[in-house]
Amino acid sequence: AQSVTQLDSQVPVFEEAPVELRCNYSSSVSVYLFWYVQYPNQGLQLLLKYLSGSTLVKGINGFEAEFNKSQTSFHLRKPSVHISDTAEYFCAVGVTGGFKTIFGAGTRLFVKA
Amino acid sequence: EAGVVQSPRYKIIEKKQPVAFWCNPISGHNTLYWYRQNLGQGPELLIRYENEEAVDDSQLPKDRFSAERLKGVDSTLKIQPAELGDSAVYLCASSLDSNQPQHFGDGTRLSIL
Repeated sequence: AQSVTQLDSQVPVFEEAPVELRCNYSSSVSVYLFWYVQYPNQGLQLLLKYLSGSTLVKGINGFEAEFNKSQTSFHLRKPSVHISDTAEYFCAVGVTGGFKTIFGAGTRLFVKA
Repeated sequence: EAGVVQSPRYKIIEKKQPVAFWCNPISGHNTLYWYRQNLGQGPELLIRYENEEAVDDSQLPKDRFSAERLKGVDSTLKIQPAELGDSAVYLCASSLDSNQPQHFGDGTRLSIL
């Protein structure tokens, strides 16, 4: 069975600084990976996805993530954050053909002025 | 396109009372999911539908939870009777198929008194 671990429960950062939110997964078969963002009192919104192909994936709002198969990681990055990026971020992993997506516990990004 | 619509947004009931949630997925999306999200955690799958068939309900507490997806479109999730531990946000999501990214509604926040 697959699993996903988000290594930081909270990440405080100053506005315009770079940020990296870490995600590691475990699976014995090929996976597809997602990052979602959740703003207060809202559902999850897809930021980006890796299904196959290029390991560097670009998403909305200036975020990108890199799939590293050898390290089983899919870290999310943004070179310069804004106050509006304050939200909960979820990494999710699914097994190709397995039809089930597992979500991490989330990382709360708090951007300070 | 219209997103996933859930109602109600908030529900407060006393324990042992019944409660129902409704979800209207994105038009054309064959796969529908119900998740439960406890405070500070990621979503956990309760049930997944492929059209009108429930294909994964292994995490649904069947003694008190039930769900249906009429004509493979709208879906309802019911709890009867509700217990204090059922307080959570119930999220509905849909996707074109099981291997595609999921689109989430804003959820129903359930509070049990």
